[in-house]
Amino acid sequence: GENVEQHPSTLSVQEGDSAVIKCTYSDSASNYFPWYKQELGKRPQLIIDIRSNVGEKKDQRIAVTLNKTAKHFSLHITETQPEDSAVYFCAARVNAGNMLTFGGGTRLMVKP
Amino acid sequence: NAGVTQTPKFQVLKTGQSMTLQCAQDMNHNSMYWYRQDPGMGLRLIYYSASEGTTDKGEVPNGYNVSRLNKREFSLRLESAAPSQTSVYFCASSEVRGFSYNEQFFGPGTRLTVL
Repeated sequence: GENVEQHPSTLSVQEGDSAVIKCTYSDSASNYFPWYKQELGKRPQLIIDIRSNVGEKKDQRIAVTLNKTAKHFSLHITETQPEDSAVYFCAARVNAGNMLTFGGGTRLMVKP
Repeated sequence: NAGVTQTPKFQVLKTGQSMTLQCAQDMNHNSMYWYRQDPGMGLRLIYYSASEGTTDKGEVPNGYNVSRLNKREFSLRLESAAPSQTSVYFCASSEVRGFSYNEQFFGPGTRLTVL
């Protein structure tokens, strides 16, 4: 089955700096890569996603890049703010049943 | 529009007890999922249901059973709870049409402790 590795497990940045979280996946048939944000005690919520036919996608301060050859994708957050502090999960989808395999998560702390 | 709802929010069980976690969605989605979340391990799929009347095993199905009661409701049952099942359980739903990519919406979670 699919395996998704996520790094780093924790990331601390100063407010205003950029943050980058990286994920690798094992199954070359994966075709959809969402990123979820989970605030403490809350449910995961989708923040951005990318399909396998696209190399990069941006939405205001967040962007995701995908390298299909290397089987890795990354989340970039620019101009970080304290409200960006949360756990971020990457995921990969292989089949039409919309089953997602999640990475282990990255706890991002933005220091004011 | 409540989205995905789960009951109960918290539960404490003794080893060997049984219980059912309830999940309902009002978005008319065809697919529903149960995940468990353990520290440092992300979200792991227990079971999913691609449509009413069908269920399939995910990554960690042992010790669980599910029922897709109708299009709205998808329940998770622990027949004989074990301490290893202490976790936060999330239900999710999405609309899947062929190979289209649709967001999974999560419920608020159930925090389960097995003593």
